[in-house]
Amino acid sequence: GAGVSQSPSNKVTEKGKDVELRCDPISGHTALYWYRQSLGQGLEFLIYFQGNSAPDKSGLPSDRFSAERTGGSVSTLTIQRTQQEDSAVYLCANGGATTDTQYFGPGTRLTVL
Amino acid sequence: DQQVKQNSPSLSVQEGRISILNCDYTNSMFDYFLWYKKYPAEGPTFLISISSIKDKNEDGRFTVFLNKSAKHLSLHIVPSQPGDSAVYFCAASRLNTDKLIFGTGTRLQVFP
Repeated sequence: GAGVSQSPSNKVTEKGKDVELRCDPISGHTALYWYRQSLGQGLEFLIYFQGNSAPDKSGLPSDRFSAERTGGSVSTLTIQRTQQEDSAVYLCANGGATTDTQYFGPGTRLTVL
Repeated sequence: DQQVKQNSPSLSVQEGRISILNCDYTNSMFDYFLWYKKYPAEGPTFLISISSIKDKNEDGRFTVFLNKSAKHLSLHIVPSQPGDSAVYFCAASRLNTDKLIFGTGTRLQVFP
């Protein structure tokens, strides 16, 4: 497809389990971002990949969060030992050379019981 | 520290009238501002942007105004339509960085 896709669309997990969220970006767009939106909150920046540069991880809330981007394409956000406060919608966005061309995926709604 | 603030969580406007959504920011280094629209169960979609060298940008029914001295921007939608009902996020960034800082969003409801 032409847009950014994310899987799964919904994930329910138990506290303490690990989860992996996947983002399939638009081909040819070099920048990839992860955000999350908690209930009643804005979009919180998590991590940013740009080409072969070291990722900007400044938004990751704890060392339980990690992300990788394989081959400059698919990205996986991993949350280890999930906590209830990790419950949120996790959004992936793909960008080109200019800031205004961030295309968002539909998000993954994570619920930690 | 919320660098981008949308103080109105919701706004209700009658169809045909003007919708004004407001956004304030604290970081004077921000020089690029964007508005995104988000429907339920979908990712945000880019709506309109403005750079700090301008004070107004217009695209059809949507106009964004920037007041740098007040660190304030607003989105005007006129005339408002029921299909405009969505959550609107403002976002800001600094020159030479693609990292966007988002506000908390304003839910707009346009009623007939």
